[in-house]
Amino acid sequence: GENVEQHPSTLSVQEGDSAVIKCTYSDSASNYFPWYKQELGKGPQLIIDIRSNVGEKKDQRIAVTLNKTAKHFSLHITETQPEDSAVYFCAASDTGNQFYFGTGTSLTVIP
Amino acid sequence: DTAVSQTPKYLVTQMGNDKSIKCEQNLGHDTMYWYKQDSKKFLKIMFSYNNKELIINETVPNRFSPKSPDKAHLNLHINSLELGDSAVYFCASSQHPGRREKLFFGSGTQLSVL
Repeated sequence: GENVEQHPSTLSVQEGDSAVIKCTYSDSASNYFPWYKQELGKGPQLIIDIRSNVGEKKDQRIAVTLNKTAKHFSLHITETQPEDSAVYFCAASDTGNQFYFGTGTSLTVIP
Repeated sequence: DTAVSQTPKYLVTQMGNDKSIKCEQNLGHDTMYWYKQDSKKFLKIMFSYNNKELIINETVPNRFSPKSPDKAHLNLHINSLELGDSAVYFCASSQHPGRREKLFFGSGTQLSVL
């Protein structure tokens, strides 16, 4: 089955700086890569996703890049704000029935 | 109006008891899921149902039995609870099975087995 690794497990940045979270996957059949944000006491929420036919996708301050050859993808958050503090999960899926999640990154944005 | 709602939010119980967690989605989605999040925040799928039919059943002890009375509801019953069952359980839904699309999660049920 798929194995998704995520780094770092914790990340602290100053407000206004950028944050980068990296994931690798093992199954070359995976072709959909969503990112979820989980705030304290809540369920994960999709913030951005990318499909394997695209190398990069942006949505305001958030961007995701995908390198299919190296089997890794990254989340970039620019101009971080305190409300970006949360746990972020990457995931990979091939069929869309099964999503394999990374181990999560706890991001703290220091005001 | 909550899209995916699950109850209770907190569940504290003794080892050996039987408990249920209920989940309902009002999004009209065809597919519902149960995920388990352990103390290290690791999220792992347990079950997936499409239109009341089981489509994914990961390696989960048979003390866990999901039940889907209709496509808007997916409940999780757990028999003979063990200490290792302590975790946060998330219900989720998506519009179609087999498509690479957004999962909508409930807010979780924190289960503590004493």
